[in-house]
Amino acid sequence: DTAVSQTPKYLVTQMGNDKSIKCEQNLGHDTMYWYKQDSKKFLKIMFSYNNKELIINETVPNRFSPKSPDKAHLNLHINSLELGDSAVYFCASSQDLAAGGNTEAFFGQGTRLTVV
Amino acid sequence: AQKITQTQPGMFVQEKEAVTLDCTYDTSDPSYGLFWYKQPSSGEMIFLIYQGSYDQQNATEGRYSLNFQKASISAIIVISASQLGDSAMYFCAMRPPIQGAQKLVFGQGTRLTINP
Repeated sequence: DTAVSQTPKYLVTQMGNDKSIKCEQNLGHDTMYWYKQDSKKFLKIMFSYNNKELIINETVPNRFSPKSPDKAHLNLHINSLELGDSAVYFCASSQDLAAGGNTEAFFGQGTRLTVV
Repeated sequence: AQKITQTQPGMFVQEKEAVTLDCTYDTSDPSYGLFWYKQPSSGEMIFLIYQGSYDQQNATEGRYSLNFQKASISAIIVISASQLGDSAMYFCAMRPPIQGAQKLVFGQGTRLTINP
């Protein structure tokens, strides 16, 4: 069983379109994340949710709207896609980082988004 | 804000030799967690090893070990007896202290190539 699964793996779309990426984890974790990896491989946090509540929004444009219907799911919807949104988007989950200790994040396979 | 620096953008190592990858962390907080991840060409993020700032001993996990220097806040990962399959991007990351704990902050990565 895949611990953190995200779909689709590849997404090619035109500028101006709206698209969604889905993420599910079966690890029983309280915290889920979206990260963006740019063309230089730099990984940056976008959003963090704990028990379905938004904890962190790292100055992401409001065209990006995460939704967490339950603890096991964190979906990412992107409106009016722009060329600069092209990247790999990773979903991840962990136990509550605030608890301290080895709270490694488990990552999904990534979604490679290409905006043309 | 925390800053994570990996000074080696790329490294080439002969198979079976040991590998050392650098990472330094810029934080004034005494409580934090340090992580290393591997990203092979297939794109997934694989957790390797964790070190807590209050841990008394350096972490080890199979062929991976950490040389943690608390004074300089550096966590050098050592990969012993390197294998061709170790070729990948390697990222260090920090879990900040409690107030901003719900995220991992990543370094820019080091691309490791193991030569046969």
